[in-house]
Amino acid sequence: DQQVKQNSPSLSVQEGRISILNCDYTNSMFDYFLWYKKYPAEGPTFLISISSIKDKNEDGRFTVFLNKSAKHLSLHIVPSQPGDSAVYFCAASDPSGTYKYIFGTGTRLKVLA
Amino acid sequence: NAGVTQTPKFRILKIGQSMTLQCTQDMNHNYMYWYRQDPGMGLKLIYYSVGAGITDKGEVPNGYNVSRSTTEDFPLRLELAAPSQTSVYFCASSTTGGRTEAFFGQGTRLTVV
Repeated sequence: DQQVKQNSPSLSVQEGRISILNCDYTNSMFDYFLWYKKYPAEGPTFLISISSIKDKNEDGRFTVFLNKSAKHLSLHIVPSQPGDSAVYFCAASDPSGTYKYIFGTGTRLKVLA
Repeated sequence: NAGVTQTPKFRILKIGQSMTLQCTQDMNHNYMYWYRQDPGMGLKLIYYSVGAGITDKGEVPNGYNVSRSTTEDFPLRLELAAPSQTSVYFCASSTTGGRTEAFFGQGTRLTVV
């Protein structure tokens, strides 16, 4: 049972435009979410996070929005750059107190120059 | 500051062989994790540890064992390798578990033939 879902396996965007990556979750108890970026042959690196007490968190070109009622979050990248081309993983913090991260299947973003 | 270091980077095993994937971190993190990533899939948790001497199973622990004798090291042992264990393995660590970012190693690409 996939508790964190990224339904778009891939996304292509023109350089300078906005990239929107989506993530849905099923467990309403999840209260902390993270986005990771992964380049080929490297480990994932942390990008941005959001707590459920907020509905938006911004860090430079990256903004994460959280809609708790819809159990949906999205990552916006503005403006998109070719160096943003990578696989993006959404993750939720397991609320059961076991300190685990539950990951989605990832979305491959390609930013076209 | 090296962060999380995994060795080896690549390995080919024959069916039935055993090996240990090494993971060490120099950030004095209490929490450590082993994930595997199969093609087109997200990161699946194999085992995790909340401190030296304490380990617990994740989603996909069968065929693996771990130990945590020190804060720094969290080796993953594969006994009787099977083709289903062909995957990329990532080790990660974090300070306080799911509500903070995890730092990942570069991964070990394992092929079982």
